[in-house]
Amino acid sequence: ETGVTQSPTHLIKTRGQQVTLRCSSQSGHNTVSWYQQALGQGPQFIFQYYREEENGRGNFPPRFSGLQFPNYSSELNVNALELDDSALYLCASSFSTGNTEAFFGQGTRLTVV
Amino acid sequence: GIQVEQSPPDLILQEGANSTLRCNFSDSVNNLQWFHQNPWGQLINLFYIPSGTKQNGRLSATTVATERYSLLYISSSQTTDSGVYFCAVTSNTGKLIFGQGTTLQVKP
Repeated sequence: ETGVTQSPTHLIKTRGQQVTLRCSSQSGHNTVSWYQQALGQGPQFIFQYYREEENGRGNFPPRFSGLQFPNYSSELNVNALELDDSALYLCASSFSTGNTEAFFGQGTRLTVV
Repeated sequence: GIQVEQSPPDLILQEGANSTLRCNFSDSVNNLQWFHQNPWGQLINLFYIPSGTKQNGRLSATTVATERYSLLYISSSQTTDSGVYFCAVTSNTGKLIFGQGTTLQVKP
């Protein structure tokens, strides 16, 4: 059974650029959620995807968007990067959207300069 | 929305000591998880514990859902226990709401 994997692990981008982060869900899981963790803070929910549809969104602007593919892997896209977007981005997968345990990948550390 | 508060924010222990971390939440929840964040940032699952008590080696957790709190016990702490411990809850929306974490440092 493979766990949740994210790529890349580290990334440096320039303000105004666009970035795509990728996540492969754990085998058997159909739900992927993305979180942003600023330094010294707890992770904040960005959005969740269930069976290729967005299923809930946190307080993030529309320049944060995502996709989920038929194999349940997912992408997080951020347009017009701002310095405050520098953070650790975490992906979690779970068996469903309900009361099931979530498992996290190792994260992508994004630095915007 | 649901608020999650963890205490203490920071904790320093000598190796071998025991500790208790607390997580309070402001409303009824459907799920509660405890995580340990390693130095590389990955969140490691410790417990999925909406209610009741569970034990895994030197760690145990208790959630009293009716009183809206959970406790994580670490016994005979080791230096490898150092890191940040997060409590996270979900309501019927399915998203995890995290506390601010407890930073634990275990000294040899």
